[in-house]
Amino acid sequence: NAGVTQTPKFQVLKTGQSMTLQCAQDMNHEYMSWYRQDPGMGLRLIHYSVGAGITDQGEVPNGYNVSRSTTEDFPLRLLSAAPSQTSVYFCASSHVRRETQYFGPGTRLLVL
Amino acid sequence: EDQVTQSPEALRLQEGESSSLNCSYTVSGLRGLFWYRQDPGKGPEFLFTLYSAGEEKEKERLKATLTKKESFLHITAPKPEDSATYLCAVQAGGGSQGNLIFGKGTKLSVKP
Repeated sequence: NAGVTQTPKFQVLKTGQSMTLQCAQDMNHEYMSWYRQDPGMGLRLIHYSVGAGITDQGEVPNGYNVSRSTTEDFPLRLLSAAPSQTSVYFCASSHVRRETQYFGPGTRLLVL
Repeated sequence: EDQVTQSPEALRLQEGESSSLNCSYTVSGLRGLFWYRQDPGKGPEFLFTLYSAGEEKEKERLKATLTKKESFLHITAPKPEDSATYLCAVQAGGGSQGNLIFGKGTKLSVKP
């Protein structure tokens, strides 16, 4: 099993550009989530999904969209990038929400 | 409001010098407490899950314990390869809807 994979590893955007961060898992996990990690702050939940077709907002959802059309994939979309979205983004998954979440390697995003 | 506080922010140890990291929490209805290890440029790596006060888990030089208000990660005779940031997260009912709430982490450095 590859576990949780994320692409790209690193991306530079200009303010106002859009992009999609990809996340995939091959463990047949129902629960998937996106976090951002900023210096001096803990991991903060952006959006999550408890199964295909079901998504919900986390602590910091503004400026981000998600969809879950398959169990395996959970892409995160930045509609109009802003410098405040410069961060490291992690995707995680678990069998169900209650159980241990396993994290991907992260995507480092720089918005100029 | 559900909250997680980790202390100290940073800890420098000599190889073989045992110590403990603290994770204190204020949540409504604890469902689980999770410890992760994060190396620079990598995603968090799962270490332990604790579910009830009095529970303990061990893995090599690490031992995690849980009380009703806090958790400790004890590191016995650490080695340089134990250097990393250790993250604590709680899962609770109530407002956070069972999603993980992370502390800011403790950065551990072990010198040879």
